[in-house]
Amino acid sequence: EDQVTQSPEALRLQEGESSSLNCSYTVSGLRGLFWYRQDPGKGPEFLFTLYSAGEEKEKERLKATLTKKESFLHITAPKPEDSATYLCAVQNAGGTSYGKLTFGQGTILTVHP
Amino acid sequence: KAGVTQTPRYLIKTRGQQVTLSCSPISGHRSVSWYQQTPGQGLQFLFEYFSETQRNKGNFPGRFSGRQFSNSRSEMNVSTLELGDSALYLCASSLPVSTGGTTSTDTQYFGPGTRLTVL
Repeated sequence: EDQVTQSPEALRLQEGESSSLNCSYTVSGLRGLFWYRQDPGKGPEFLFTLYSAGEEKEKERLKATLTKKESFLHITAPKPEDSATYLCAVQNAGGTSYGKLTFGQGTILTVHP
Repeated sequence: KAGVTQTPRYLIKTRGQQVTLSCSPISGHRSVSWYQQTPGQGLQFLFEYFSETQRNKGNFPGRFSGRQFSNSRSEMNVSTLELGDSALYLCASSLPVSTGGTTSTDTQYFGPGTRLTVL
């Protein structure tokens, strides 16, 4: 069974204080690993898709990396508007995994001014 | 391009009633997946529809059902509502991707969700 574990559960940063969020996963075959951002009461907003170990993607202050067992979301010089819950999900490459993402519990990020 | 839309945004029902939620995918997207999000369980996969066919189903009771129409719009239905069904119901759409003769799906884009409260 696919499993995703995110750490830490909550992270408080000062504005400008860089840090990383971790996503550890277990999957028989990885089709893709996805990062989303979710604000309270809203649907998850897509950030990145990573397909293979060694892949990296960047967007503004965010950078996602992938190894065979985990992914990191690096946040450089965060701002208060980066405060949100960050979700990691995997999709199994198996033929019976159509449309199914397995999510971690998320990391609640709070950035103080 | 318009995003995924879900209606209604909020619903209040009582135990034993049934409810139907609607999802319109991004134009051109043919796959629609449904998820239930609760504080205790997080996001859990309900089912996925592609070209009007349910291809995958999560571990939920038969009270949860869905369908997809020829225009890719999807509905999910929950019958005989229980208090534990209170949750944010999210749908997500994605483009089909052909790999090795099978049609998989790529990145899922989520709608704003329907907040269901069961009293």
